[in-house]
Amino acid sequence: GESVGLHLPTLSVQEGDNSIINCAYSNSASDYFIWYKQESGKGPQFIIDIRSNMDKRQGQRVTVLLNKTVKHLSLQIAATQPGDSAVYFCAENRRGGSNYKLTFGKGTLLTVNP
Amino acid sequence: DGGITQSPKYLFRKEGQNVTLSCEQNLNHDAMYWYRQDPGQGLRLIYYSQIVNDFQKGDIAEGYSVSREKKESFPLTVTSAQKNPTAFYLCASRQNQAYEQYFGPGTRLTVT
Repeated sequence: GESVGLHLPTLSVQEGDNSIINCAYSNSASDYFIWYKQESGKGPQFIIDIRSNMDKRQGQRVTVLLNKTVKHLSLQIAATQPGDSAVYFCAENRRGGSNYKLTFGKGTLLTVNP
Repeated sequence: DGGITQSPKYLFRKEGQNVTLSCEQNLNHDAMYWYRQDPGQGLRLIYYSQIVNDFQKGDIAEGYSVSREKKESFPLTVTSAQKNPTAFYLCASRQNQAYEQYFGPGTRLTVT
């Protein structure tokens, strides 16, 4: 079946390094993608989003890249800080109908070592 | 402060009892959602509502019920028919015509 998933379940980086978290999707009809950050015991927080008509979008210290050819999404975090330690997961909106429902991946645990 | 609130943060119940989880938002969002999160799994959609007095089943609605009598409120009842109710429950809301959903802090339900 079609799904949103992640290549790496865990990622450990040193403080100050750049982090790259990957996400694969299989539904070519998806028109919108979003990255969330979830700290332990808390609700997910919106980080950045991208529409399917874009390849790249930048925020503060974060960049999302979308490769529609291989159905791949990545989140890059520059100069990773201990406060970035969390689970990151992607979500997609599958185009069609009026129902705005997101399909979520399982998440990658990012650990930042001081 | 604008936002989504869920209460309580932790909830304990005995097996066989129904329990209702609260979700309130003052963002004036039309759509609201309930998800369940289990360890090592992504969020799974239980129910959602795009407008007051209307709601639809998500992917795992069995054993759950909801109501949407007010725009600000979308309570979720976990019934005794839910076979494995222990989980972290998340409520979200979305502005009309936008895709991004904003989440509450979650309620951790433990049923023994």
